[in-house]
Amino acid sequence: DAGVIQSPRHEVTEMGQEVTLRCKPISGHDYLFWYRQTMMRGLELLIYFNNNVPIDDSGMPEDRFSAKMPNASFSTLKIQPSEPRDSAVYFCASSRGGWETQYFGPGTRLLVL
Amino acid sequence: QKEVEQNSGPLSVPEGAIASLNCTYSDRGSQSFFWYRQYSGKSPELIMSIYSNGDKEDGRFTAQLNKASQYVSLLIRDSQPSDSATYLCAVLYQTGANNLFFGTGTRLTVIP
Repeated sequence: DAGVIQSPRHEVTEMGQEVTLRCKPISGHDYLFWYRQTMMRGLELLIYFNNNVPIDDSGMPEDRFSAKMPNASFSTLKIQPSEPRDSAVYFCASSRGGWETQYFGPGTRLLVL
Repeated sequence: QKEVEQNSGPLSVPEGAIASLNCTYSDRGSQSFFWYRQYSGKSPELIMSIYSNGDKEDGRFTAQLNKASQYVSLLIRDSQPSDSATYLCAVLYQTGANNLFFGTGTRLTVIP
């Protein structure tokens, strides 16, 4: 199995631009999680899906952030407009059956100038 | 706000020693606890989970949970240089909406 796939791996953009991060979970996994990691705040859960349905988005910092999961094999996290404080590593993770044994993707390193 | 506290370290131990990593959490409603390992520049990977009071052993790793003291720890026996990484404690809060909260991690260095 290829594991969780994220793209792009690195993204540099200017303040105000739209950023779209992509994730392909492991086949057969029914949970998908989006996280953000910074030095100051550590790893934070942003949103998670079960069977493509968003369950809890209380971790999404602002209305500038949105996430979708149109099918079992694809999810996006969009930031519009982006701001320098959004600079972080964004991880996608998937699991089968719940919170146990989440498999993380390699992450997208985002820099907003 | 749910809090998960870890000593950021760095924690340095000689090769072959026992490394002890500690974590405290703020909400008694939590029921599931996880330890993740994260190598520099890499993604986190789950190494241990624990759900009930006491010890849980897996190879060189032992997780310890004390719900009365709201304390969870990870012991690494016979530490190896390959254990050098940041260890993240995560607590699943299951009162109301489920959510997983992470500590900021403890950086461990095993000195050959």
